[in-house]
Amino acid sequence: AQSVTQLDSQVPVFEEAPVELRCNYSSSVSVYLFWYVQYPNQGLQLLLKYLSGSTLVKGINGFEAEFNKSQTSFHLRKPSVHISDTAEYFCAVDTGNQFYFGTGTSLTVIP
Amino acid sequence: DSGVTQTPKHLITATGQRVTLRCSPRSGDLSVYWYQQSLDQGLQFLIQYYNGEERAKGNILERFSAQQFPDLHSELNLSSLELGDSALYFCASSVGLRDREAFFGQGTRLTVV
Repeated sequence: AQSVTQLDSQVPVFEEAPVELRCNYSSSVSVYLFWYVQYPNQGLQLLLKYLSGSTLVKGINGFEAEFNKSQTSFHLRKPSVHISDTAEYFCAVDTGNQFYFGTGTSLTVIP
Repeated sequence: DSGVTQTPKHLITATGQRVTLRCSPRSGDLSVYWYQQSLDQGLQFLIQYYNGEERAKGNILERFSAQQFPDLHSELNLSSLELGDSALYFCASSVGLRDREAFFGQGTRLTVV
């Protein structure tokens, strides 16, 4: 069965510091990979996606992620976070038949 | 605003009851997805419809059903409700069957008492 693991449930980071949110998945088939952000009391918003091609994917709000097939990882990074980045972040995998989400990482940016 | 509209925003009902959640996708989107978000289960994919037909099924209970109508809006029906069904239910839509760049609504918060 497919699983998506977000290794950190909570990540506190100071404003303007870099951040990495980790995501690993288990799959023996080709997958599409996504990161979504959920602000308080809102729905999910797509940050970025990997479908094929370059393994470094750039998204909105200065975020980027790198697909590493050998390590089955898709970590999300931002070189300098802002207060407004405080939110819940979800990694997701599409196997072609189903869509699986990780349990989420709560990013808190500290002033 | 994602363009996906979900109604109602909040719903409180008793155990054993039946409720219907409604979703209007973005204009032009043919795919509709339903998700359940709860504290203990996280975000779970329930079901996908594309142009009126069921196309993918996730962890959807037999007490739950959905449909997509000719005008592409969708309804999620939850019956014989239990306390554990209390959750945030999201609808999302996308243009195609597989592009998966889904746009999410703001959700319906269901509380079963």
